[in-house]
Amino acid sequence: QKEVEQNSGPLSVPEGAIASLNCTYSDRGSQSFFWYRQYSGKSPELIMSIYSNGDKEDGRFTAQLNKASQYVSLLIRDSQPSDSATYLCAVNENTGFQKLVFGTGTRLLVSP
Amino acid sequence: DGGITQSPKYLFRKEGQNVTLSCEQNLNHDAMYWYRQDPGQGLRLIYYSQIVNDFQKGDIAEGYSVSREKKESFPLTVTSAQKNPTAFYLCASRLFWDSQNTEAFFGQGTRLTVV
Repeated sequence: QKEVEQNSGPLSVPEGAIASLNCTYSDRGSQSFFWYRQYSGKSPELIMSIYSNGDKEDGRFTAQLNKASQYVSLLIRDSQPSDSATYLCAVNENTGFQKLVFGTGTRLLVSP
Repeated sequence: DGGITQSPKYLFRKEGQNVTLSCEQNLNHDAMYWYRQDPGQGLRLIYYSQIVNDFQKGDIAEGYSVSREKKESFPLTVTSAQKNPTAFYLCASRLFWDSQNTEAFFGQGTRLTVV
């Protein structure tokens, strides 16, 4: 079983600040990475996917991937209280059937 | 609207009972998955399926069973052999089963409680 590691948090940031969420993974063969947001009691919602080294921006969200370091991160600019949720990192396990392996998530708290 | 529908939203099971959780998708996705989530934990894979009439055990399949008789449907049965079934169950689907660069989407989840 390949591993995906995230700091459980909570990560507390004030409104308007940049929140930085980090994820490391063990499978060097992984090529696809996903960030999901999960509000308490709800199902995960896809925020971003990233497949190539470097940065990928979508609105206030930027995903960063460094395959050499086996590290993927999510930056949330201008954090809002509505961003308070648990953020799950998912890594595609590169086997015949493409399985997603999830980290345990980082809880983000944005204070007004 | 295209999406993944799970039912029921809440389910209560008595000791020794089998219960079935429904998952239906109208996205024409090939791959379907069942995950289990416990408080403070990540998602753990129970079963997955790439095509009709084919499915594979995930990491925690003991005490569960599935079927895939139709492309759009992937029901999960929690049997009496599952000793600790209280959890949040999530169904997901992906367009292609054999492509890495395919995003997975989730249903609303079913919260199962043993009473």
